[in-house]
Amino acid sequence: GAVVSQHPSRVICKSGTSVKIECRSLDFQATTMFWYRQFPKKSLMLMATSNEGSKATYEQGVEKDKFLINHASLTLSTLTVTSAHPEDSSFYICSARGRQGPNTEAFFGQGTRLTVV
Amino acid sequence: GESVGLHLPTLSVQEGDNSIINCAYSNSASDYFIWYKQESGKGPQFIIDIRSNMDKRQGQRVTVLLNKTVKHLSLQIAATQPGDSAVYFCAENGGEGGSNFGNEKLTFGTGTRLTIIP
Repeated sequence: GAVVSQHPSRVICKSGTSVKIECRSLDFQATTMFWYRQFPKKSLMLMATSNEGSKATYEQGVEKDKFLINHASLTLSTLTVTSAHPEDSSFYICSARGRQGPNTEAFFGQGTRLTVV
Repeated sequence: GESVGLHLPTLSVQEGDNSIINCAYSNSASDYFIWYKQESGKGPQFIIDIRSNMDKRQGQRVTVLLNKTVKHLSLQIAATQPGDSAVYFCAENGGEGGSNFGNEKLTFGTGTRLTIIP
């Protein structure tokens, strides 16, 4: 299957700082990218959907000013957690879907474990 | 709101036996379903998918069954191996946003932790 690379895999930051997570599709053009958040032993919660060159569509309850998403190219999307707080500590996962259409699998990155201290 | 859920949060199966993981969904407009496997600390890994115009689809050691009448999805894993131990999620696609190309989001179920007993 297609490869989606997420970086970094782990990051520790201080409260009040910002952290950027990158999601790259390595061998296909990702017209749509999704960002999820996952708490321990819980399911994936969709945070936002982004199309290349467009503003991201955020799910209800997700602060768009806190979780900045940029999808500047067909192979790269970034999630920036601004002014991070300990409650932002979580596992963040991106996924990407290509031009084949909506009813096709989405490929997932390896995830980023964010710890805010 | 619409949701996808799972009947069993945990499942233990003897190595070599078959396992069945179930999923109920509530969005009757969903037209595409995927099963993912997630190992600890990793992102979900695609296992198998099925479209709503099908009832059954088989892969290598895995079979997905779709019953649209009762909105139920299942994943069957044959001859389980220790490497099958993981959390399994069903995900549904569709129902919102019309047919925006490549834009329909996946909604994930709760997840079932499958443990293979040696």
